[in-house]
Parts: sequence; C-alpha cells; structure tokens
Amino acid sequence: SQQGEEDPQALSIQEGENATMNCSYKTSINNLQWYRQNSGRGLVHLILIRSNEREKHSGRLRVTLDTSKKSSSLLITASRAADTASYFCAPRRNYKLSFGAGTTVTVRA
Amino acid sequence: EAGVAQSPRYKIIEKRQSVAFWCNPISGHATLYWYQQILGQGPKLLIQFQNNGVVDDSQLPKDRFSAERLKGVDSTLKIQPAKLEDSAVYLCASSSDRVNYSPLHFGNGTRLTVT
Repeated sequence: SQQGEEDPQALSIQEGENATMNCSYKTSINNLQWYRQNSGRGLVHLILIRSNEREKHSGRLRVTLDTSKKSSSLLITASRAADTASYFCAPRRNYKLSFGAGTTVTVRA
Repeated sequence: EAGVAQSPRYKIIEKRQSVAFWCNPISGHATLYWYQQILGQGPKLLIQFQNNGVVDDSQLPKDRFSAERLKGVDSTLKIQPAKLEDSAVYLCASSSDRVNYSPLHFGNGTRLTVT
C-alpha cells in the first residue's frame, strides 16, 4: 500500500535531546511529506521532500529520503516541550496522499 | 492568509441521527480533502475534490456519507444515519496542488461523538 508506516509508535525524550522517527512505504512516490499534530488540533505541514532529493533541512528538522529502501526519517534536534505532538509521514503518489498511524513524541521537561 | 475554517468544532448526536459538517478552504486552493481520524489512528481520506469534481471517493461509505463542493469553494460532508463507529474527528484540508507538490493545509476539525 502507499500508506506510510511510522516507527516507533511512541517516543519519550528529555528536553534538549534529539528525536528520530522513521517512515517506510511500499510504492514509488512523487514526494514524501511530514506533518505534526498537537492534541485536539489539525495537522500542520512540516516539510516536503521530493523523490529526487536525499536530505532536507528546516530549522531544527532534518528529513532524509532513501527511495531504494522506500524509507524516510525525521530528526528533531534540541527538542523542546512544544515539540510534544504526533508526527505523521505521508507518501504522495500522483494525487494520492496517505497517512500512517503516526509517532507520538513526548518531550519531558 | 486565512486558514481552513471548519464548523462546528464539536457535535454530539445519537445513532441514526444525521449530521453535517462545513468547510471553507484557503482562498484559491483548488483541491479539497475530507479525512476521518479515529482516536489513536492517522487520518483516512474520505473524499478528494479538484475544484468541484470528485477525484477520489473510494473510501467514502456512500450508503451513509455524502459530500459536495458547490462552485468549487465551500464543502459540506453529511452523515445519515450515523453509527457509533462514526465517532471521530473529521478534518478538512486544502491545497493548491498545481503539480502535486503542494502541502495540505488542515482545519482544526470537527469532533463527532455518536452515542
């Protein structure tokens, strides 16, 4: 299926530490997108990486994409309490964008 | 720019009743999506519009769910009759999507509880 699958399901880290989560998918894609969802809110787009890109940065976020392994990773550096949220990857193939179950990240003060 | 607007924010109904949700996308965004998000799960696409035409409604339970997008702008999603398993957050999103590289902009959703 095109749907991304995030790993781990949950992650608890200390403030200031880095958080890494992974995403795997099964079909070829045009791009892969990462979103964040705070409790009770809608999803917020974080970063989009195209299929011909291998790495992309945005502030404290670093995303990698390995199309040969059909996998992506999201790294959040120097985490803050405000980073506590669920993170979803969404592979895009043509017009279809499908979300996985997400990784729930808890940043402890 | 103004974000995606959804209403109501919360809705509680009894099973077998009907309910409607409204979405106003970001101005100029051609593509509109309705997602269903059950607690603890990721969003599941129900229907995707390009302007006022349907691109994908393969996961929409058409015996009870309907959606329309009049004039290619606002959209409504209706459930009739509701079942207990329809309890979820219904998220609307829009994107400009000229070349399939545009991110989605989400509203804050409507939390539906069916009792």
